[in-house]
Amino acid sequence: SQTIHQWPATLVQPVGSPLSLECTVEGTSNPNLYWYRQAAGRGLQLLFYSVGIGQISSEVPQNLSASRPQDRQFILSSKKLLLSDSGFYLCAWVTGSSYNSPLHFGNGTRLTVT
Amino acid sequence: AQKITQTQPGMFVQEKEAVTLDCTYDTSDPSYGLFWYKQPSSGEMIFLIYQGSYDQQNATEGRYSLNFQKARKSANLVISASQLGDSAMYFCAMSVGNAGKSTFGDGTTLTVKP
Repeated sequence: SQTIHQWPATLVQPVGSPLSLECTVEGTSNPNLYWYRQAAGRGLQLLFYSVGIGQISSEVPQNLSASRPQDRQFILSSKKLLLSDSGFYLCAWVTGSSYNSPLHFGNGTRLTVT
Repeated sequence: AQKITQTQPGMFVQEKEAVTLDCTYDTSDPSYGLFWYKQPSSGEMIFLIYQGSYDQQNATEGRYSLNFQKARKSANLVISASQLGDSAMYFCAMSVGNAGKSTFGDGTTLTVKP
């Protein structure tokens, strides 16, 4: 069966420190991968998506970057965190590369920048 | 650009009663998918139900049904026989194109009263 692993579950980081969040998918190949961020009490905002290894599309300009070094691995990074980077980060995947496929989400990382 | 609007920040329903959560969408693309997700307090995102833009019949999944009115661009979620475990945040989302990217509304917090 297909599973998605996302870690860590919670993270507290000081302003100006680097960030690396990792997400891996098992049980499927060549998935589309996504990073979403959710502010408290709000909906999900798409940050990055990837349709293949090394292919990254950014949806909003910001302090973050993403990489896909392997087919089922998606990494979200920052060189220097800002207070505004705090939020709930969710990794997701889709098979079928179409508008009729639901997203499958990891359990998320709650990031607090202090 | 795609837009999802959920006008009910919070809803209350009595246990065993039915409840309707509103969602309107906006897109110029004729091919799209509409989704509802549930987010309990734990933060995980759970896919509930899907409706395609070309589907003639309303989608149903157990106690969940989607009231799809294409001309009005609405895709309301109906939960029948509410249970205490239905208390959560509910998100309406839309996907267009082949990248599988989804746009989310701001969500509705549903509270089921015993």
